[in-house]
Amino acid sequence: NFMLTQPHSVSESPGKTVTISCTRSSGTIATNYVQWYQQRPGSVPTTVIFEDNRRPSGVPDRFSGSIDTSSNSASLTISGLKTEDEADYYCQSYDTDIVVFGGGTKLTVL
Amino acid sequence: QVQLQESGPGLVKPSETLSLTCTVSGASISGSYWSWIRQPPGKGLEWIGYIYNSGSTKYNPSLKSRVIISEDTSKNQFSLKLTSVTAADTAVYYCARDTGVDIDYWGQGSLVTVSS
Repeated sequence: NFMLTQPHSVSESPGKTVTISCTRSSGTIATNYVQWYQQRPGSVPTTVIFEDNRRPSGVPDRFSGSIDTSSNSASLTISGLKTEDEADYYCQSYDTDIVVFGGGTKLTVL
Repeated sequence: QVQLQESGPGLVKPSETLSLTCTVSGASISGSYWSWIRQPPGKGLEWIGYIYNSGSTKYNPSLKSRVIISEDTSKNQFSLKLTSVTAADTAVYYCARDTGVDIDYWGQGSLVTVSS
């Protein structure tokens, strides 16, 4: 089984762009789709990216996802940061028969 | 609209069994994957396991020896049992629907505290 490693925290100013990485420990990042979930304080996680780079309806196009096979990682990029984007973000993927979550990244918008 | 609701005791004694039930409305549990996910206070998400395909199950290898997920299709419910609990099992427990693409519907979560 593999692990997904995320930075513990990131911070950026409103209006700027931030990128959160998610590195797969073994196996190829492209083997299984990567999803990203946003969890605001006291709330349930919601999907902001699925299948590496697709946005559910209702998620603004400020959110984008990508994968990089050279670094074996996925990334979530949020542009035009708003204070409402402050939340924890989790990457998630699948292995044979299991679901794997990254450890989460706390995004502070200040 | 799919809705999930966890129910069960909020307090469990160490060494005993944690039991939770998830009642699903708006979708049949006979399709998709129906998951249990937990989140210790102030920590990240941990997948516990899921049930699918009318009773097949898969579990997190780190919890596999202590977990049983079952279903009652007549009530459109699925359940979690976690045996021999310790304080480390204190968490918010979520039930959720996993489409195999993403986890698209979550319950509101149920805080279970392990304490004597």
